[in-house]
Amino acid sequence: QVQLVQSGAEVKKPGASVKVSCKASGYTFTRFHVHWVRQAPGQGLEWTGMINPSGGSTSYAQKFRGRVTMTRDTSTSTVYMELSSLRSEDTAVYYCARVRAVTGSYYFMDVWGKGTPVTVSS
Amino acid sequence: DIQMTQSPPSLSASVGDRVTITCRASQSISTYLNWYQQKPGKAPKVLIYAASSLEGGVPSRFSGSGSGTDFTLTISSLQPEDFATYYCQQSYSTPWTFGQGTKVEIK
Repeated sequence: QVQLVQSGAEVKKPGASVKVSCKASGYTFTRFHVHWVRQAPGQGLEWTGMINPSGGSTSYAQKFRGRVTMTRDTSTSTVYMELSSLRSEDTAVYYCARVRAVTGSYYFMDVWGKGTPVTVSS
Repeated sequence: DIQMTQSPPSLSASVGDRVTITCRASQSISTYLNWYQQKPGKAPKVLIYAASSLEGGVPSRFSGSGSGTDFTLTISSLQPEDFATYYCQQSYSTPWTFGQGTKVEIK
């Protein structure tokens, strides 16, 4: 079945970097964009950015530009999100999600990973 | 960035009630509006895409409507499994943005 399997929980110190993986299976990896969304404890959903696994092009939310890098490995059908210069406000659950497109250029996140908790603490 | 504003932030309702959640965009987004349901400790799940299209496998008691800047999600008869937080999200332009969520609680 179609699924996205994310890497496990991370604990990092302020100033460090974290790299979260998201392995796709059950579908053609290069046919669907993957987006990343984060959720701080008790808070709402925040879009971080996206990657096109076909060519590797990316688009990031302005607030993360310069700190976030999304990459992919087509040989393993895995996308990665790396966030650097971590601060306590980056403590959140990070989700990857596949984006499906339907007629009319409508896009939505139809398959989600279970989330990777990232804790930033000294 | 397009701001998405949901109301109410929370509501209490009983099983069988009709529930309506509204979402307003800061500019016209045509029908590029999706609705998600999230239960505690779980990833969100898409319910409605393109403002009014029901995702496969989602019960027909969920419906969406609206275009331009004003949208609604309606649950026609609330079931015990529907107690959750609901988010609207626009896909008209990047950055994609979400409403702040509406928590539906048991009365």
